[in-house]
Amino acid sequence: KAGVTQTPRYLIKTRGQQVTLSCSPISGHRSVSWYQQTPGQGLQFLFEYFSETQRNKGNFPGRFSGRQFSNSRSEMNVSTLELGDSALYLCASNLAAITDTQYFGPGTRLTVL
Amino acid sequence: GDSVTQMEGPVTLSEEAFLTINCTYTATGYPSLFWYVQYPGEGLQLLLKATKADDKGSNKGFEATYRKETTSFHLEKGSVQVSDSAVYFCALILTGGGNKLTFGTGTQLKVEL
Repeated sequence: KAGVTQTPRYLIKTRGQQVTLSCSPISGHRSVSWYQQTPGQGLQFLFEYFSETQRNKGNFPGRFSGRQFSNSRSEMNVSTLELGDSALYLCASNLAAITDTQYFGPGTRLTVL
Repeated sequence: GDSVTQMEGPVTLSEEAFLTINCTYTATGYPSLFWYVQYPGEGLQLLLKATKADDKGSNKGFEATYRKETTSFHLEKGSVQVSDSAVYFCALILTGGGNKLTFGTGTQLKVEL
């Protein structure tokens, strides 16, 4: 069974631009979560989508948004990029319940210049 | 708020040494607890989990016991190998909190021959 895939793997953008990252969960998984990983702040929860609805949201500004499609694929968007948005963005999927194992993708490395 | 505290790294051990990585948590509710491992350049992999007090999670020689009285979930391994070198993250999810993982800062483990 294919794992969680994230595209692109690497991105370089400049300040003020916007970016869209994509995540394809494991087949049959309905929950997709996004995390930001930085050396300074560690791993921080962005949001979770379940059956196309945002179920949970972390403490990030409104520039960070996401959505989930009917096939459970998810995208996250960051508008008006700032230098501090440089990070590894990780996507995780699981069946639904919190005790189900969350499977992480390899991440998208975003660099903002 | 909910939080996870891990011991600072890096931890450097010789092969076959005993490993302990301390993890304590603060939670407003009743959490499930997890250890994740991240190898260089990769996403996170679930190492083990425990969903209720006194549960012991185990995998690949690693163990951790959910101690409600001390709010701890320390990771142990009797004999580490060079291939165990990675960053280890302790995390929690609150019951009823969706799939939002709250992570500790991570502990880097280096195992030398």
